[in-house]
Amino acid sequence: GAGVSQSPSNKVTEKGKDVELRCDPISGHTALYWYRQSLGQGLEFLIYFQGNSAPDKSGLPSDRFSAERTGGSVSTLTIQRTQQEDSAVYLCASSLGGFNTEAFFGQGTRLTVV
Amino acid sequence: ILNVEQSPQSLHVQEGDSTNFTCSFPSSNFYALHWYRWETAKSPEALFVMTLNGDEKKKGRISATLNTKEGYSYLYIKGSQPEDSATYLCAFRGGSNYKLTFGKGTLLTVNP
Repeated sequence: GAGVSQSPSNKVTEKGKDVELRCDPISGHTALYWYRQSLGQGLEFLIYFQGNSAPDKSGLPSDRFSAERTGGSVSTLTIQRTQQEDSAVYLCASSLGGFNTEAFFGQGTRLTVV
Repeated sequence: ILNVEQSPQSLHVQEGDSTNFTCSFPSSNFYALHWYRWETAKSPEALFVMTLNGDEKKKGRISATLNTKEGYSYLYIKGSQPEDSATYLCAFRGGSNYKLTFGKGTLLTVNP
């Protein structure tokens, strides 16, 4: 597609349930990032993919969070046993992968855990 | 832990005013400094990617400067318009890490 696509755009889930967030990057972009923004906070790095591998997953807040990327394209971020503090806007971005290349963001998934 | 600080946190200006805000970042292991604009209900949009000390970039009424030795960048908006209202984010890329570390942003409101 023309841009980075994320789905769903909004998700309300009950505490303790698992959720899966999807990101379709721009075709040909080898780098893919997940960030989240909690209320009143800045953009918090979660994980970075180069191709299908994740050389930096240092931002994943707990072992309830995992992410994968298949075919060098689509990525899914899975949150198990969701907690209220997981409520945030989850943003995905992709880039061509060089150090100086800009990142293109999707519109995000707003996750609310009730 | 990398500290990327932006100031002010928020700013209200009148249409036609010129304004500027600051991003400070670590001065060691610098690779790139990015500026993004994030309008409500939209995706963050890249404005500039800056890599060289002393670099100055311009896009229409918006420009940015970079000082990597002292670790700061300024973003300037000349003749602000209501459509410039947005959160302006800077992001630092350092060392051999592809991660972009973002500041918390400056929320600009331009009143007509």
